[in-house]
Amino acid sequence: EAGVAQSPRYKIIEKRQSVAFWCNPISGHATLYWYQQILGQGPKLLIQFQNNGVVDDSQLPKDRFSAERLKGVDSTLKIQPAKLEDSAVYLCASSLEGWSGGGEFFGPGTRLTVL
Amino acid sequence: AQTVTQSQPEMSVQEAETVTLSCTYDTSESDYYLFWYKQPPSRQMILVIRQEAYKQQNATENRFSVNFQKAAKSFSLKISDSQLGDAAMYFCASIQGAQKLVFGQGTRLTINP
Repeated sequence: EAGVAQSPRYKIIEKRQSVAFWCNPISGHATLYWYQQILGQGPKLLIQFQNNGVVDDSQLPKDRFSAERLKGVDSTLKIQPAKLEDSAVYLCASSLEGWSGGGEFFGPGTRLTVL
Repeated sequence: AQTVTQSQPEMSVQEAETVTLSCTYDTSESDYYLFWYKQPPSRQMILVIRQEAYKQQNATENRFSVNFQKAAKSFSLKISDSQLGDAAMYFCASIQGAQKLVFGQGTRLTINP
């Protein structure tokens, strides 16, 4: 079974630039999550999709962050414009069940550095 | 709101020894799940073990086991016969109902050869 795929693995941009991350979940997983992990901290949920609908985006900074999941499969997370404090690893995860009782499967993450 | 606390930022253990990582949580629900995740330097988060709150029996996965104390809201991870490959960040996490998975701050585990 292929795992959760993410690209790019690394990205360096200057502040005020835009950036986009891509995630392809495990086949058949209806639920997709984007997490932000700042160095030295645990991951923080940014947004959760169930198929192509948003379940929870309460911690997504909507003035600069956006995410979509077209056709209920792949997802993109965009930051526009980026700030220095957005430097973090962005993790995508997917799960088979509607909530995480089955445990989530994580991708390798995208490390973003904002200069 | 659910919270997860890991009070040990770093732990170290000699290879082949046993180490226990601590975790406490707070929840208002009676039905919830608890997890331990491992994050090696490559940063791929891997599920180590999970515990359903309604199960009294502690979960075990090979060398990994948990001590689930529901009344005390404690969920520690014991790693037996520690191996060099066990070196990583370990995160305790919980979820209740349809709410989001909440992580602790993590414990960095070092294995000394």
